[in-house]
Amino acid sequence: SQQGEEDPQALSIQEGENATMNCSYKTSINNLQWYRQNSGRGLVHLILIRSNEREKHSGRLRVTLDTSKKSSSLLITASRAADTASYFCATDRGNYGQNFVFGPGTRLSVLP
Amino acid sequence: DGGITQSPKYLFRKEGQNVTLSCEQNLNHDAMYWYRQDPGQGLRLIYYSQIVNDFQKGDIAEGYSVSREKKESFPLTVTSAQKNPTAFYLCASGPREGNGYTFGSGTRLTVV
Repeated sequence: SQQGEEDPQALSIQEGENATMNCSYKTSINNLQWYRQNSGRGLVHLILIRSNEREKHSGRLRVTLDTSKKSSSLLITASRAADTASYFCATDRGNYGQNFVFGPGTRLSVLP
Repeated sequence: DGGITQSPKYLFRKEGQNVTLSCEQNLNHDAMYWYRQDPGQGLRLIYYSQIVNDFQKGDIAEGYSVSREKKESFPLTVTSAQKNPTAFYLCASGPREGNGYTFGSGTRLTVV
């Protein structure tokens, strides 16, 4: 069974708007990661957040983690057409990152 | 430049054939992973290896085999026992614990 699941499945916004994607998971984790995938390409690592962290920033990206609700969110501010991609959360299985489980992803379309 | 290379980019397999997908990394990462991605879906773990000469089954290992004779290389063989092999295959590497993966650009396998 999947550990992480993103919501919404698809999101369309206008350039300049903010995009928020959510990830829920079932069992305790040590780390949660967010990745981006452009169509037909490999995944690119965006941010890793550890279970003892509540928020991390990287450029226009902001990730939050609420372990009590078993959920995380990825916020992309001031979106650009180049942000159009699928975004995946990946959670470990509580085994200190031996391997990660990926959700089905959120397909983000940023319209010019 | 450090990175992870998958080859070939496209691969066509006839029914009943075994095929081998190549994955090479020069990032000095201990761990390597194979994931399968079906259209519009997330990634599913096939096999992973934390150290040379050792590997573990992931969630969907049936019909696949791997080897890890060198730290840099983690080839995946799709055997004739895999009944539905058409998919996008992604190789990744990472430090043994935590942190993000680096992904290759993928191999698209099609059964003809």
